[in-house]
Order: sequence, then structure tokens, then C-alpha cells
Amino acid sequence: QKEVEQNSGPLSVPEGAIASLNCTYSDRVSQSFFWYRQYSGKSPELIMSIYSNGDKEDGRFTAQLNKASQYVSLLIRDSQPSDSATYLCAVNGGAGGSYIPTFGRGTSLIVHP
Amino acid sequence: NAGVTQTPKFQVLKTGQSMTLQCAQDMNHNSMYWYRQDPGMGLRLIYYSASEGTTDKGEVPNGYNVSRLNKREFSLRLESAAPSQTSVYFCASSAGRFNYNEQFFGPGTRLTVL
Repeated sequence: QKEVEQNSGPLSVPEGAIASLNCTYSDRVSQSFFWYRQYSGKSPELIMSIYSNGDKEDGRFTAQLNKASQYVSLLIRDSQPSDSATYLCAVNGGAGGSYIPTFGRGTSLIVHP
Repeated sequence: NAGVTQTPKFQVLKTGQSMTLQCAQDMNHNSMYWYRQDPGMGLRLIYYSASEGTTDKGEVPNGYNVSRLNKREFSLRLESAAPSQTSVYFCASSAGRFNYNEQFFGPGTRLTVL
């Protein structure tokens, strides 16, 4: 069974700091990796996708993928209180060719002023 | 372009009642999904439809049925609601391509079964 693991948190960081969120996955042949942000009482919203080893930057967000170590991370630079949310990691494209993503349970991030 | 829409937003049922949750997308996506989300359990896949005309069970299908009415619409039916089905239900859609299967979620339905 494919597993995606995230520390549930909460991760608390001061405003302006870098928040680092981590995710590990069990299926070595996974191909696609996604980060979703979910505000309390709202639905998940896609914020980053990454398919190749290395870093991918989009504004204040950087996704990092290391397939050899089977982890993917999300860095949020200059964290703002509005970044306070739960961040879900999702992985798909593993053994059997399934395109159905497996979600982690999410990490709660709190950015305090 | 509304994305993924769901109705209703809130619903309260009594045990044994039935209801259908509606979902529609206007992004011309091939694949659609139904998830439930419970505190501490994350997102759990109930059913999905890879393309129009097909449906498959996910992780937690018991007590539910689905219909892929057309490419746009995917409904979830509870035939005899139970308190264990109290949850938040999300519909999602995606292009369905193997590697670039980014999902887009609807706003959710908050269901309480008494």
C-alpha cells in the first residue's frame, strides 16, 4: 500500500521566516508530486506541482524533490499570517501506473506576527 | 468559468434517509473524484471516474453509489445514511493524464447524519 507521510504539526514560525514542510513517500517509482493548501473550513487548493528532481520556484514557494531519498518538501519564504493553513502532500504515478494521487494527512502551519 | 461546483453546501439528515450530492465541472476534465475528509483522517477516496462512462471504487466505497451522468457531472448517493457518514465531502476533477494529474476541488458539502 502506498504511503505518504507528513508531520501533522503544528509547525509554528514567526512572520518573515522560512517555513519548511516535509513529505516522504513509500512508492519508489512515483512520478508526480503536488502540494495543496487548505484553509480551515475550505477545500484544498493546488499550489505547487513538481515532476523532476531538484527545485521548482513559484513566487515565495519552492518545491524540492529528491527521488533517491523519496522525499518532497515545500519551502515558504517570508512567511505571512495568511499562509497559516494545512498543507497536503500528494503523490501519484507509482507502481501499476496509477494516476490516482495518494494524499498525506497534512501539516498544520501557523505563522504568528 | 466556475471550476468545480457542488450542491448542497450543508445538509442534515436523519439515520436511514437518502440523498444525492451533486458535482459539476466546466474545465472539460476527463476524471472526477469523490472524497470524504474527517478530522485526523485526511482525504479518503470514495469513488472515482476515470472518464465518462466508467466508475471505480476507492478506499472507502461502502454505503455509497455514484453516477457519472456525462462528462461534466458526477453525483454521489447515500442510500441509507448512517451517523458514520457524517463528514465533509469534496468533489474533484482532473485532466486524467498519467503524470500531470493535478486535481481541482469543489467547495465541499458538510453533511451531518443524526
